[in-house]
Amino acid sequence: GAVVSQHPSRVICKSGTSVKIECRSLDFQATTMFWYRQFPKQSLMLMATSNEGSKATYEQGVEKDKFLINHASLTLSTLTVTSAHPEDSSFYICSARGRQNTGELFFGEGSRLTVL
Amino acid sequence: AQSVTQPDIHITVSEGASLELRCNYSYGATPYLFWYVQSPGQGLQLLLKYFSGDTLVQGIKGFEAEFKRSQSSFNLRKPSVHWSDAAEYFCAVGAGSGNTPLVFGKGTRLSVIA
Repeated sequence: GAVVSQHPSRVICKSGTSVKIECRSLDFQATTMFWYRQFPKQSLMLMATSNEGSKATYEQGVEKDKFLINHASLTLSTLTVTSAHPEDSSFYICSARGRQNTGELFFGEGSRLTVL
Repeated sequence: AQSVTQPDIHITVSEGASLELRCNYSYGATPYLFWYVQSPGQGLQLLLKYFSGDTLVQGIKGFEAEFKRSQSSFNLRKPSVHWSDAAEYFCAVGAGSGNTPLVFGKGTRLSVIA
């Protein structure tokens, strides 16, 4: 159990366009979802925390108008990279925590964004 | 502030040899500790976790880790490494409550040679 799915796994877009990444909890209700960003050969850096039905809380230095996060239901959160630029190219990983709140986070497979 | 230190950026071991990956943490409360593994271009897979109780925890793929409060450490071990264990390993710490994320170390890349 506790499967988190991300889509798309890979996306290439032109500079200036917007890209949406979906994160779904397939077999549990995710009360809280976290979005991380990982640059090549680096660790995961938290971008934002979202709770269902509430506005996301962004980490310092993360532009909330550029990285739009929506957590409209208990099984879906989306990250939209608006007006993407090459420096936004990265590996984006979502994670979710369920109602049972065991402390563990369940991670999606990640989405690799390449902005040309 | 909470933090995780993985002192070794890259470790190379021979197949069949034992392995220990180091992890030290700084946390204000009782920590929830995790080890994840990541293959290139993939997401994270949980190897094991410690919440409370027995300080030696067993995980998947033959891995184990020992929580040592006095040393603020949670080192990962495996008695005999397989070539398929080559990957990036991340130690993480969190509080376990709803809005608290996990904080990750910088990771240790494991290479396995024949």
